[in-house]
Amino acid sequence: GAGVSQTPSNKVTEKGKYVELRCDPISGHTALYWYRQSLGQGPEFLIYFQGTGAADDSGLPNDRFFAVRPEGSVSTLKIQRTERGDSAVYLCASSLTGGANSQAFFGQGTRLTVV
Amino acid sequence: QKEVEQDPGPLSVPEGAIVSLNCTYSNSAFQYFMWYRQYSRKGPELLMYTYSSGNKEDGRFTAQVDKSSKYISLFIRDSQPSDSATYLCAMSESGANSKLTFGKGITLSVRP
Repeated sequence: GAGVSQTPSNKVTEKGKYVELRCDPISGHTALYWYRQSLGQGPEFLIYFQGTGAADDSGLPNDRFFAVRPEGSVSTLKIQRTERGDSAVYLCASSLTGGANSQAFFGQGTRLTVV
Repeated sequence: QKEVEQDPGPLSVPEGAIVSLNCTYSNSAFQYFMWYRQYSRKGPELLMYTYSSGNKEDGRFTAQVDKSSKYISLFIRDSQPSDSATYLCAMSESGANSKLTFGKGITLSVRP
């Protein structure tokens, strides 16, 4: 596609439920990142994929959060037993190679609200 | 203390003003410095990108990096109402993983 696509745009879920957020990166981009942006804050790094493997998952806050990228393109961020504190905008970004001089392009985000 | 600190906002200026946005950081391993612009309910978009210390100019925008002081700035000349957005500074270390560390962001409003 022309840009990074994230679905759904908005998700409202009840506390304790499981959610999946999808990211479709720019075609050919090997690197994919997930970030979380809370209200009034900058994005915070969650996880980085290079191809199919999670090269850096140091930003995942706890074991309720998990992400996959099985075929090296689309990625899914999975959150179990959601809590109200998980409410935020989840941003996905992709870059051609993942190197520091490889520009990251962001999607519009999924706004998650846990009620 | 956060790795990246950004001047708090919001900031409101008249059209045509020069705007100065600033960030400081503590991690001396940061080598790449970026400014992103984020409109409401949109993802961040890259505005300026600088490697190491120095200045970079692109149209009405100038980015400055002073690694000795761990201080970066973005200047916007002849500001326009369309510049109204949230501006985020971001940084990364060199290497294969260019994960970004962002500042908190500052919301700029340019009054016509």
